[in-house]
Amino acid sequence: GENVEQHPSTLSVQEGDSAVIKCTYSDSASNYFPWYKQELGKGPQLIIDIRSNVGEKKDQRIAVTLNKTAKHFSLHITETQPEDSAVYFCAASIGGSQGNLIFGKGTKLSVKP
Amino acid sequence: KAGVTQTPRYLIKTRGQQVTLSCSPISGHRSVSWYQQTPGQGLQFLFEYFSETQRNKGNFPGRFSGRQFSNSRSEMNVSTLELGDSALYLCASSLARGVGNEKLFFGSGTQLSVL
Repeated sequence: GENVEQHPSTLSVQEGDSAVIKCTYSDSASNYFPWYKQELGKGPQLIIDIRSNVGEKKDQRIAVTLNKTAKHFSLHITETQPEDSAVYFCAASIGGSQGNLIFGKGTKLSVKP
Repeated sequence: KAGVTQTPRYLIKTRGQQVTLSCSPISGHRSVSWYQQTPGQGLQFLFEYFSETQRNKGNFPGRFSGRQFSNSRSEMNVSTLELGDSALYLCASSLARGVGNEKLFFGSGTQLSVL
């Protein structure tokens, strides 16, 4: 079945450093790739997304890259801050299935001051 | 603009009981999806509703059901609860269906504990 693998499962960086989280998907029909941030006691919050016809998208300190041929996509956070500490999830759409996202297992990011 | 609202926030039930969870989508959003989140399985898709009709369904047993009302509000029901149903149940809404409407906005969830 469809699958999204996410690495690493935990990531610890110093404040100001960059953080990179990588995901691989299996469904060739996937065309939408969102990233979510989940803080303790809250639901996932959409932070950035990319469609399959775009290779890169940036929003301030956050950027996402997509390599459709290799079925890889990555989240890049620059100049990390303590408030970036959270669990981050990547996801991929199931081809033709609205509202149905396959999520990675998550990356717990810790930013040390 | 208010976000997705889920009630109740916490729920404790015993095995064999049934439970109903409620979700109010963002104003103007017409599609509602439900997900189950557990430490072991992560986030898993349950079903999606649009215009009061179930459009997609994940791989969950028939004990899990849902519905959507004419005002886009949605409920999900779990009958004959099992210990393994303990999870955070998340509701997400999107503006509509189709290309360009994929963005899902999640509520804070209902934490269900089955004893």
